[in-house]
Amino acid sequence: AQTVTQSQPEMSVQEAETVTLSCTYDTSESDYYLFWYKQPPSRQMILVIRQEAYKQQNATENRFSVNFQKAAKSFSLKISDSQLGDAAMYFCAYQNTYNFNKFYFGSGTKLNVKP
Amino acid sequence: DAGVIQSPRHEVTEMGQEVTLRCKPISGHDYLFWYRQTMMRGLELLIYFNNNVPIDDSGMPEDRFSAKMPNASFSTLKIQPSEPRDSAVYFCASTGGTSPLHFGNGTRLTVT
Repeated sequence: AQTVTQSQPEMSVQEAETVTLSCTYDTSESDYYLFWYKQPPSRQMILVIRQEAYKQQNATENRFSVNFQKAAKSFSLKISDSQLGDAAMYFCAYQNTYNFNKFYFGSGTKLNVKP
Repeated sequence: DAGVIQSPRHEVTEMGQEVTLRCKPISGHDYLFWYRQTMMRGLELLIYFNNNVPIDDSGMPEDRFSAKMPNASFSTLKIQPSEPRDSAVYFCASTGGTSPLHFGNGTRLTVT
């Protein structure tokens, strides 16, 4: 069964600095999607970034980028120039391409941003 | 695109009462999911539908929980009778298949 592991329950970063959130996953599939979702105190689940496993290139969305290591089954999120509005829970998620209704979520990392 | 719409945003009820949560998925999405989020268990999948048909309800905690999707634009999650341990945030989400999951804003349920 697929599992998603976020080993950092909580992290802190200084405003304007860079922080990396870790995620590992377990799968026997070769084709799948990976996501990072952000959940601010308003509790809305917001899609931050998406990576397709067959693509070698790491996905980037403005200040957010990922380091996708397929062989290591690692999918970390880098936030550059951290802003106070980045403070939130961040969830890593896996989606099976063939049973694409199957989504698996990590337990989340709470990110604190210090002014 | 209005996104996934859930109502109510907050619900406070007494133990034993019936609670109904509502969801309107994104138009064109043929998969709809109900999740429950608690501090202890994180995000739990309760049930999901494909083309209005329930596919997997193995996550529904017990018979007090039921979900319906009478048409492509509406789903309900009902708890009867409600208990304090049902207090959580309930999310509805939809997808069109290869698109990411799009979540509603959630309903915070408090059962006293």
